[in-house]
Amino acid sequence: ETVLTQSPGTLSLSTGERATLSCRASQTVSSSYVAWYQQKPGQAPRLLIIGATSRATGIPDRFSGSGSGTDFTLTISRLEPEDFAVYYCQQYGNSPETFGQGTKVEIK
Amino acid sequence: QVQLQESGPGLVEPSQTLSLTCTVSGASISSGAYYWSWIRQHPGKGLEWIGYIYYTGSTYYNPSLRSRITISSDTSKNQFSLRLSSVTAADTAVYYCARKFSSSPFDYWGQGTLVTVSS
Repeated sequence: ETVLTQSPGTLSLSTGERATLSCRASQTVSSSYVAWYQQKPGQAPRLLIIGATSRATGIPDRFSGSGSGTDFTLTISRLEPEDFAVYYCQQYGNSPETFGQGTKVEIK
Repeated sequence: QVQLQESGPGLVEPSQTLSLTCTVSGASISSGAYYWSWIRQHPGKGLEWIGYIYYTGSTYYNPSLRSRITISSDTSKNQFSLRLSSVTAADTAVYYCARKFSSSPFDYWGQGTLVTVSS
């Protein structure tokens, strides 16, 4: 199984700052099939990024994804108050599909 | 608008079988080449893919849970279901149903339902 390791575990930032979240896979993810989700307390995950780099429908352009192979990054260019949440990466290129353990973006 | 809603008991006794149903509206589970999925999240932890049923009825399960899982569908009710046998406290989690297309991530999710395994 492909293990996804996210870092850091917690990111303490202020509104307006840039957030950079990392997701490293234990093996190459086929076709860069990596997604990113945002989850707020008591809610289901919300899809942000598809195929490592494409924003899902309705996602603001302050969210961007990059990477290939085993290293992937989610960047939030300028944090808005509603962006403080937990973010998960997922790979769906290798079977079984797996998720990272999450990065919490909290208000500093 | 596609909507998914989980339903089922919130409390299951150890060694018993957990049974959940996902009711889908706004899309047909028997068409469209979608995978109808179950995912769980242990309290305060990350997400774990359990398995899915393809619109043709074929099923795919996480190897770590395969021996205990059955996913089935009732197309007349536009529902699909999860059965997880021989549960223990380690199966306590929020269970989500979700949809995905081939070679795509999960785009629509239910709100999730907490299932606690306890006597």
